[in-house]
Amino acid sequence: EAQVTQNPRYLITVTGKKLTVTCSQNMNHEYMSWYRQDPGLGLRQIYYSMNVEVTDKGDVPEGYKVSRKEKRNFPLILESPSPNQTSLYFCASSTLGTKKAKTQYFGPGTRLLVL
Amino acid sequence: KQEVTQIPAALSVPEGENLVLNCSFTDSAIYNLQWFRQDPGKGLTSLLLIQSSQREQTSGRLNASLDKSSGRSTLYIAASQPGDSATYLCAVEEAGTALIFGKGTTLSVSS
Repeated sequence: EAQVTQNPRYLITVTGKKLTVTCSQNMNHEYMSWYRQDPGLGLRQIYYSMNVEVTDKGDVPEGYKVSRKEKRNFPLILESPSPNQTSLYFCASSTLGTKKAKTQYFGPGTRLLVL
Repeated sequence: KQEVTQIPAALSVPEGENLVLNCSFTDSAIYNLQWFRQDPGKGLTSLLLIQSSQREQTSGRLNASLDKSSGRSTLYIAASQPGDSATYLCAVEEAGTALIFGKGTTLSVSS
C-alpha cells in the first residue's frame, strides 16, 4: 500500500530537549516536505527536499532542521524545542515534474506538545 | 505573495443537500489546485487535483472546477451524507512544489 508514515504520532516533551520526528514514504517520490498546522494559521511549509542531499527552507524554517540521506526518509529535527513549536506536523511526498500534475500524499500527522 | 481564501469557514447542512465550497487565490500563475479532506485528528486525504490547463475534475459525488483567470475554484458535493462531515482544504501549487493552503471549510452534515 502506497503510504507516508510518521513517527511518533503523539509526543510530549520539555523545552530544550532535542527530538526527531521521522517520515518515510514507499512510493519512490523525489519530493518530500514538512508542514505545520496551527489553529487560525492553516498549514505552512517548514522545509522541503527535491531529492537526496537537496533540501531548502519553506515559509517557517526557524528552529527546525532536516536531512535527506535516503530517498525514502526525511526526518524533522528540533534541536532545542520551544513551546511555540507546539503544533500538528505533517510530512508529504510527491513525484517531481515542473508542469506535470502531481498529487501530494500526506502522512497521518504528529501532534507535538512542548512544555 | 499568493494567498488562498476559503469561504465559508464553516457550513452546516441537512443530509441530502447539494452544496458548494469556495476557494479563491490571488495569483493566477499556478500549476495546479488540489482539494483535500481532513478528519479530526487525522491526516489529509487528496480528493481532486485540477491541472492549470483543466476546467474541472470529477470523482463520484464530488466535482471541482477551476477558473484560473478569476482566481476561483469550487468544490461541489452532491447529495451530502453525514460521512462527508470533515474539514475541506484547498491548496494551490506554484513554481516548485510548495502547496499554499487555505484555512479550510468545516462541513457538518446532519442526519
